[in-house]
Amino acid sequence: QSALTQPPSASGSPGQSVTISCTGTSSDVGGYNYVSWYQQHPGKAPKLMIYEVSKRPSGVPDRFSGSKSGNTASLTVSGLQTEDEADYYCSSYAGSNNLGVFGTGTKVTVL
Amino acid sequence: EVQLVESGGGLVQPGGSLRLSCAASGFTFKNHYMSWVRQAPGKGLEWVANIKEDGSERYYVDSVKGRVTISRDNAKNSLYLQMNSLRAEDTAVYYCTRGGRRYVDVWGEGTTVTVSS
Repeated sequence: QSALTQPPSASGSPGQSVTISCTGTSSDVGGYNYVSWYQQHPGKAPKLMIYEVSKRPSGVPDRFSGSKSGNTASLTVSGLQTEDEADYYCSSYAGSNNLGVFGTGTKVTVL
Repeated sequence: EVQLVESGGGLVQPGGSLRLSCAASGFTFKNHYMSWVRQAPGKGLEWVANIKEDGSERYYVDSVKGRVTISRDNAKNSLYLQMNSLRAEDTAVYYCTRGGRRYVDVWGEGTTVTVSS
């Protein structure tokens, strides 16, 4: 199972929005509504931010939103804050006989 | 408080073995799919293995098949990862996680495995 493709970096000024793409295939992203997104600060464990394409766990600000079109999922962070500076990884279900697959990761910088 | 605490990492020579453990608390462990995810230094996340609630199904990434075994003890609320024939490329932080292929909602802090002579 190949890693999902994410841009290496993205950036925005405080208050702006940034959108990160996550491109897979019809065997993963395009085939199921089980895309999740994780935020990871340096030296810390990842944290679930979005699951099932667009659902937010309790405690995650509504500035974080997810969507999907075809084989590409997206994470949008609106109203960027300094604490949003982190690495972000997408992940997708890839069928009942497979492990999931992670994206390559995107470093978000708040300018 | 829902918590996962890993242990068992360390420095091991190539070809050696390690057994990672994960102690779960704050939730009904037997009701949850569990997984191990690893992250090599400076690299991204990678699923290593996962196991169904009752242990009846287990899946592994191709690079560890035949060398790694995931197991669980629901009576002890514990998850394990037995790693044999370790290679330099297995060097990583290993995270115990709650959940499986659809999403993971709880992560441990990780335990570091270093394979080096």
